[in-house]
Amino acid sequence: GENVEQHPSTLSVQEGDSAVIKCTYSDSASNYFPWYKQELGKGPQLIIDIRSNVGEKKDQRIAVTLNKTAKHFSLHITETQPEDSAVYFCAASPVQYGNKLVFGAGTILRVKS
Amino acid sequence: EAQVTQNPRYLITVTGKKLTVTCSQNMNHEYMSWYRQDPGLGLRQIYYSMNVEVTDKGDVPEGYKVSRKEKRNFPLILESPSPNQTSLYFCASGWGGTLILNEQFFGPGTRLTVL
Repeated sequence: GENVEQHPSTLSVQEGDSAVIKCTYSDSASNYFPWYKQELGKGPQLIIDIRSNVGEKKDQRIAVTLNKTAKHFSLHITETQPEDSAVYFCAASPVQYGNKLVFGAGTILRVKS
Repeated sequence: EAQVTQNPRYLITVTGKKLTVTCSQNMNHEYMSWYRQDPGLGLRQIYYSMNVEVTDKGDVPEGYKVSRKEKRNFPLILESPSPNQTSLYFCASGWGGTLILNEQFFGPGTRLTVL
């Protein structure tokens, strides 16, 4: 089945710097790759997603890139702010399993002001 | 307000004492799912439901049961809880469909401790 690896497990950046989180997946049939942000004491919330027919997607300060050949995708956050501090999860969805999401282990992002 | 609610939010129980964690969504979503979150392991799917009366196992279903008698509710049942089921549990819902993948909306979580 699908396996998703996420790196790094923790990331500390200075406010205003950029942050990059990388994920690799194993199932070449996966075609949907969302990123979720989990704030302390809350459930994960979708921040951006990308489908396999697109190489890059941006939404203000966040962007996601997908390399299908290498089977990896990345989250980029520019001009980080203290409120970006959270746990970030990547996920991949094997197409044959409908809405199933396989999550990475998560990245704790700390933005120091 | 569109939301997924879970109850209870916190629960401490003892080994073998049956418990139910409720989940309800008010968005008319077809798809619902339960996940457990453990440090270093991310979120792992326990069970999911594509629609009323349709449920299926996820990646870690052992020791859990679910039912989907109504569209809005998807309770998680632990018939005989054990300490290895101590975890943070999340319910999620989404629009469903077998090929079109969409956002999943997560509840606030239930922290379960089994002594």
